[in-house]
Amino acid sequence: NAGVTQTPKFRVLKTGQSMTLLCAQDMNHEYMYWYRQDPGMGLRLIHYSVGEGTTAKGEVPDGYNVSRLKKQNFLLGLESAAPSQTSVYFCASSYSVADTGELFFGEGSRLTVL
Amino acid sequence: GNSVTQMEGPVTLSEEAFLTINCTYTATGYPSLFWYVQYPGEGLQLLLKATKADDKGSNKGFEATYRKETTSFHLEKGSVQVSDSAVYFCALRSSNYQLIWGAGTKLIIKP
Repeated sequence: NAGVTQTPKFRVLKTGQSMTLLCAQDMNHEYMYWYRQDPGMGLRLIHYSVGEGTTAKGEVPDGYNVSRLKKQNFLLGLESAAPSQTSVYFCASSYSVADTGELFFGEGSRLTVL
Repeated sequence: GNSVTQMEGPVTLSEEAFLTINCTYTATGYPSLFWYVQYPGEGLQLLLKATKADDKGSNKGFEATYRKETTSFHLEKGSVQVSDSAVYFCALRSSNYQLIWGAGTKLIIKP
């Protein structure tokens, strides 16, 4: 009963390095999301996808790219990491538009950029 | 624009105390309202929801009533346990189906 799985769970980068966070869901959900969580700010939407092959910008997309080549996977990339991207990243999924209030979350990926 | 405001934490209570975490919102139309909970080291999970005015969502002893007249969705529990220690997030679903999140309220329950 995996649900939403994120890898890696922890990562330390130097400024300017690149990396990719992988999110995988086994619930056949159409919608997938990437959020970042910062102290005192709640969750902010980075990018989301409404289906395989589609992506869209959220509230804070700058510095990030995403891809949804397969329905079950949603990748978040940082091409040139900056200290401002130090955060905890959460992937989430949901079945449909009408159901987007009920999100299923992964356990999070803690990223530190030095 | 749409927004959600939660009471600042941390909120520290003794076991078996009564809990209220305040949440107020600003939105156009008739949003759906949610409470999510994040236990230490875990992702968020849906705790309860309400989709129209005067609805009461409930789960695991927690309750929240959608009050349109006061634009509020306060979370309550009659008797908290140590295992309720977590961060609680209030959220609303706007007309474009995106979730708008509050900043979260950390709850600490002492035995």
